[in-house]
Amino acid sequence: DAKTTQPPSMDCAEGRAANLPCNHSTISGNEYVYWYRQIHSQGPQYIIHGLKNNETNEMASLIITEDRKSSTLILPHATLRDTAVYYCIVRVPIQGAQKLVFGQGTRLTINP
Amino acid sequence: SAVISQKPSRDICQRGTSLTIQCQVDSQVTMMFWYRQQPGQSLTLIATANQGSEATYESGFVIDKFPISRPNLTFSTLTVSNMSPEDSSIYLCSVARANTGELFFGEGSRLTVL
Repeated sequence: DAKTTQPPSMDCAEGRAANLPCNHSTISGNEYVYWYRQIHSQGPQYIIHGLKNNETNEMASLIITEDRKSSTLILPHATLRDTAVYYCIVRVPIQGAQKLVFGQGTRLTINP
Repeated sequence: SAVISQKPSRDICQRGTSLTIQCQVDSQVTMMFWYRQQPGQSLTLIATANQGSEATYESGFVIDKFPISRPNLTFSTLTVSNMSPEDSSIYLCSVARANTGELFFGEGSRLTVL
């Protein structure tokens, strides 16, 4: 299983872009990168995922390096409600389906 | 997105007893996943539950301690057996969207063992 490395914590000012890095140097060619976040006392929430191309949705953008060994999640205009633990996960395929193995994540604090 | 309901949402239990957590999904899914989140920690996968077959347990988790049932495609239970204070955690049920692997989570069951 590929492992991911994230900084344990980050701070960002409200209204600025929050850039959360993730290293996954042992990722294999068919594994996707997923991002989830967990706001206190809630179940994790899906944000975005990608294979090799950059992706954008209504919540965030995902930038994956050309060698796929790292990625960055971008929250373009962070709000106080974006304060959460953000998990970068590499998908592990099993028996035709997928299980996700969570690392320690980055605790992002948005400051007013 | 799938709607996942877990019961109980929280409970306080005595050492040595067992508790069964229920997970109900509003649509049929092939695989359901059970995670544990200890205080201040990340999520740890306990097992993958397939309908009609035995669950597949991750390293460090055994069926005798965490028996799982999967009687149909919308329901699963996880039992925490012979509980000790170290079992105090949030237990989360999740399901995966078939083509993308996107996971949906229930709100979790917060278990405190005294």
